[in-house]
Amino acid sequence: SQQGEEDPQALSIQEGENATMNCSYKTSINNLQWYRQNSGRGLVHLILIRSNEREKHSGRLRVTLDTSKKSSSLLITASRAADTASYFCATDDIDNDMRFGAGTRLTVKP
Amino acid sequence: GAGVSQSPRYKVAKRGQDVALRCDPISGHVSLFWYQQALGQGPEFLTYFQNEAQLDKSGLPSDRFFAERPEGSVSTLKIQRTQQEDSAVYLCASSSEGRQPQHFGDGTRLSIL
Repeated sequence: SQQGEEDPQALSIQEGENATMNCSYKTSINNLQWYRQNSGRGLVHLILIRSNEREKHSGRLRVTLDTSKKSSSLLITASRAADTASYFCATDDIDNDMRFGAGTRLTVKP
Repeated sequence: GAGVSQSPRYKVAKRGQDVALRCDPISGHVSLFWYQQALGQGPEFLTYFQNEAQLDKSGLPSDRFFAERPEGSVSTLKIQRTQQEDSAVYLCASSSEGRQPQHFGDGTRLSIL
């Protein structure tokens, strides 16, 4: 069964705008990761945030984690058409099971 | 390239047939994972190997699903007596140690008619 729920399910923005995706989960975790998937391709690891971290940056990506609310957000700044993809959060829980959410489908219009 | 390679990319089978899906992980990667991804959903964990040992097979949906990695490198996911609900993309991932970060192949899209 899937652990995380991404919100929104779909997001459409203009190039240059920021995109924010949220993920909620249910169990205690060791870490949370965000992945990206282009249509017909495998997933690409973007960023990992550990349970004792609150915020992490990587290039145009900013991830936050609130373990008290069991939620995370992924912010993509200055979006580009090439950012169009599905984005998934994945939790590594204390039983060492990795569970993915259903994803947010992001469309960035040029 | 040096990424995870899966074959075939597409497989069409009739209900009741057996299928075998292959995964070539990144060379030297100890951990290997199989996932099932239904259309519009995230991947669901099937099974996990560390070298040749299958440490977790809790996600395999039935005893028709079987995975092996006999020499700790290439892995095969076999589905016996396929059913329509087995139609999905099967993703393989590997990691150098532990469970992350995982490097994914492009998957095998399985269609059962």
